[in-house]
Amino acid sequence: QQQVKQSPQSLIVQKGGISIINCAYENTAFDYFPWYQQFPGKGPALLIAIRPDVSEKKEGRFTISFNKSAKQFSLHIMDSQPGDSATYFCAASGNTPLVFGKGTRLSVIA
Amino acid sequence: DAMVIQNPRYQVTQFGKPVTLSCSQTLNHNVMYWYQQKSSQAPKLLFHYYDKDFNNEADTPDNFQSRRPNTSFCFLDIRSPGLGDAAMYLCATSRDRAEDTQYFGPGTRLTVL
Repeated sequence: QQQVKQSPQSLIVQKGGISIINCAYENTAFDYFPWYQQFPGKGPALLIAIRPDVSEKKEGRFTISFNKSAKQFSLHIMDSQPGDSATYFCAASGNTPLVFGKGTRLSVIA
Repeated sequence: DAMVIQNPRYQVTQFGKPVTLSCSQTLNHNVMYWYQQKSSQAPKLLFHYYDKDFNNEADTPDNFQSRRPNTSFCFLDIRSPGLGDAAMYLCATSRDRAEDTQYFGPGTRLTVL
């Protein structure tokens, strides 16, 4: 019940396209859902986060969509750029340390 | 800039030789975490401190210990490293509650020979 399932494992997107990464959870006590971006050899960095009182949050080209009834949330990267190539982790918590998904390796090709 | 600093960035040790990794933070955050991350995997939480209160994950091997002498510093001690302990070790902090935003350091890459 503590798991966060993330898909796909890897993703290749053309420059300018939309990248979509999905996550699902089971623990209804989770109330904080961040996305982290990690470049090779670096620590993860917070990209964007959402709480269940809203269904969508947008910051620049990055949008989180949240479906509380389905217990799913997703990251959309609009106008994907080669510099977005990284590993993305979804995570969730609810008065507990973060539970991470297994990650998605995104490659944006020109 | 306020940040999470890890030293060293790269550490090479021999099988069975104790090693200590350090983390410092200028954010004045109450919570500090240690994660282990192996190649192409998610970070795995080893333990965390809420102020001085130590919280060990159930599956963290006894080989891993931690110390937090003050708010700013936290250490990870690996008493007898095995080949399977080769990984990136990440330190993170959060302001207060466990689910607040976590700020990660750059990590220490540990190699075990």
